[in-house]
Amino acid sequence: DAGVIQSPRHEVTEMGQEVTLRCKPISGHNSLFWYRQTMMRGLELLIYFNNNVPIDDSGMPEDRFSAKMPNASFSTLKIQPSEPRDSAVYFCASSPRVFGNTIYFGEGSWLTVV
Amino acid sequence: DQQVKQNSPSLSVQEGRISILNCDYTNSMFDYFLWYKKYPAEGPTFLISISSIKDKNEDGRFTVFLNKSAKHLSLHIVPSQPGDSAVYFCAAPPAGGTSYGKLTFGQGTILTVHP
Repeated sequence: DAGVIQSPRHEVTEMGQEVTLRCKPISGHNSLFWYRQTMMRGLELLIYFNNNVPIDDSGMPEDRFSAKMPNASFSTLKIQPSEPRDSAVYFCASSPRVFGNTIYFGEGSWLTVV
Repeated sequence: DQQVKQNSPSLSVQEGRISILNCDYTNSMFDYFLWYKKYPAEGPTFLISISSIKDKNEDGRFTVFLNKSAKHLSLHIVPSQPGDSAVYFCAAPPAGGTSYGKLTFGQGTILTVHP
């Protein structure tokens, strides 16, 4: 069974550039989550969707961050413009339902902004 | 405000012995807890969970204990194996079951099991 698929796995970009991270959730899962992992803040939820609709974006750090889910099998997290402090591992995760008791993470996208 | 805390950044254990990983929480409204395991360059994977109506949940070599009065939970791994070497995260969703995916994670504990 295919898990959550994220791309790119690694991205190095210059400050000020636009970054787009992509995620394909597990087929049939209707909840999707974007998490970020940094040394300072650990793993933190940025935003989550239920049935393609953003439910809670209170974790999105700034207006430079935006996320979309145009259909049930695809989501993007965009940073524009990127800054060095955005360097982190970004994880996408999905769940069969909002009240499911576990979520399944992708392998992460390692972002470095120089 | 760190609502879920793992105060031990690392733990080293001999193969075959017991590993005990600890987690404290401050929000008394939390009613469900999960442990995730993470290998380098991979995403976290679900390990075991416990509801606040229980004080123990066991799955093979893994047991989680919950002490609600102390706001403390622990993960026991017996016997520990080298393949258990990973980062372990304690996590909790908002109370009331509104979204089990909206997790608050602890900082993680690096477990190293020596052969």
